[in-house]
Amino acid sequence: AQSVTQLGSHVSVSEGALVLLRCNYSSSVPPYLFWYVQYPNQGLQLLLKYTSAATLVKGINGFEAEFKKSETSFHLTKPSAHMSDAAEYFCAVTAYNQGGKLIFGQGTELSVKP
Amino acid sequence: GAVVSQHPSRVICKSGTSVKIECRSLDFQATTMFWYRQFPKQSLMLMATSNEGSKATYEQGVEKDKFLINHASLTLSTLTVTSAHPEDSSFYICSALMTGQETQYFGPGTRLLVL
Repeated sequence: AQSVTQLGSHVSVSEGALVLLRCNYSSSVPPYLFWYVQYPNQGLQLLLKYTSAATLVKGINGFEAEFKKSETSFHLTKPSAHMSDAAEYFCAVTAYNQGGKLIFGQGTELSVKP
Repeated sequence: GAVVSQHPSRVICKSGTSVKIECRSLDFQATTMFWYRQFPKQSLMLMATSNEGSKATYEQGVEKDKFLINHASLTLSTLTVTSAHPEDSSFYICSALMTGQETQYFGPGTRLLVL
């Protein structure tokens, strides 16, 4: 069985500050992990993914995430927040034997203050 | 690359009518597509998995006779909400799994309002 927990349903940062969105997973087999971003009234856009290659993954818009097996974490970071980063962020997990089916976290709403 | 479209983007219908939503993978083939429903300020709820050429697999609690899914080709899946009622009003999102890969690519969503 797999599960995802996103710590913090809402995170607020100042423009230019570090963004840290937390994601912990549970998986009985090696996981594939994803971060998606959703802007209001839109679908989900893939930010980055981990599929058993490099543990530090770089994505679009300056985001990156590090897979830490010992901590069962896949936290999303960005060194300097922009106003345009304000959105809902979802962490998701799947595995080779899940037929591509994703398990989503509850989402974290990121607000960026000027 | 990896673009998924949905049509319509927004639909308003009367209670009791049926509504069809199309999901297309524009630049890749997708053996598997997924249909989700999303309520305001909530995560995505998987409704069903659609496999090309076979019957869809529905999640527990999702009425298959109400939410008809057809995946007739490697680039098109449709969701028909039959005899829609106000409680079916929601944001419906599809995704497509690139054949042979593990990544889902999402459509822009369809806002359904049933009056």
